[in-house]
Amino acid sequence: GNSVTQMEGPVTLSEEAFLTINCTYTATGYPSLFWYVQYPGEGLQLLLKATKADDKGSNKGFEATYRKETTSFHLEKGSVQVSDSAVYFCALSSGNTPLVFGKGTRLSVIA
Amino acid sequence: GAVVSQHPSWVICKSGTSVKIECRSLDFQATTMFWYRQFPKQSLMLMATSNEGSKATYEQGVEKDKFLINHASLTLSTLTVTSAHPEDSSFYICSARVLTGKDSPLHFGNGTRLTVT
Repeated sequence: GNSVTQMEGPVTLSEEAFLTINCTYTATGYPSLFWYVQYPGEGLQLLLKATKADDKGSNKGFEATYRKETTSFHLEKGSVQVSDSAVYFCALSSGNTPLVFGKGTRLSVIA
Repeated sequence: GAVVSQHPSWVICKSGTSVKIECRSLDFQATTMFWYRQFPKQSLMLMATSNEGSKATYEQGVEKDKFLINHASLTLSTLTVTSAHPEDSSFYICSARVLTGKDSPLHFGNGTRLTVT
């Protein structure tokens, strides 16, 4: 079946540091890939997505590239801010089924 | 953008009572909505898929008689936690897609924090 594995946190970084959160997936066919962000006490918000191999999704300084050869969709940001502190979820979609989520990675950015 | 509204945002109830949570798609119609439960260590568990005009599809291990789902219209799905117990305390989140198909992301409500005393 489909599954998503993302690096376990928590991740703690200083402001302006470089961020990478690893995500790999297992899926049949050609899934679409997503990153969601959850701020404290809120639901999930779509951060970015990529729907086919070599696509790069980007938003708010975050980027992730759909790598079919390594079945990965790592999230990166060049310079994090305190306001980026949140939980980040990698997810995949195959067909019209519900999204399959990773377990989430908590990011804390300190000033 | 697509907006999913969830109500209430938090609720406290006594053990043995029932609680209803509403999920509305405000600017689009959703034939299918999804209910998730989020556990303390943040992982999301899909509970059920709510289908407008028909019975919900529950994931393995989720008691359908305890978590009643009704999707009576194209913009409203409700989750009722019946005879709630402290172990039902959790964060419940609904979601919906604007379009069908794998490329269409899910849009989430802001969640409902349920505390059963």
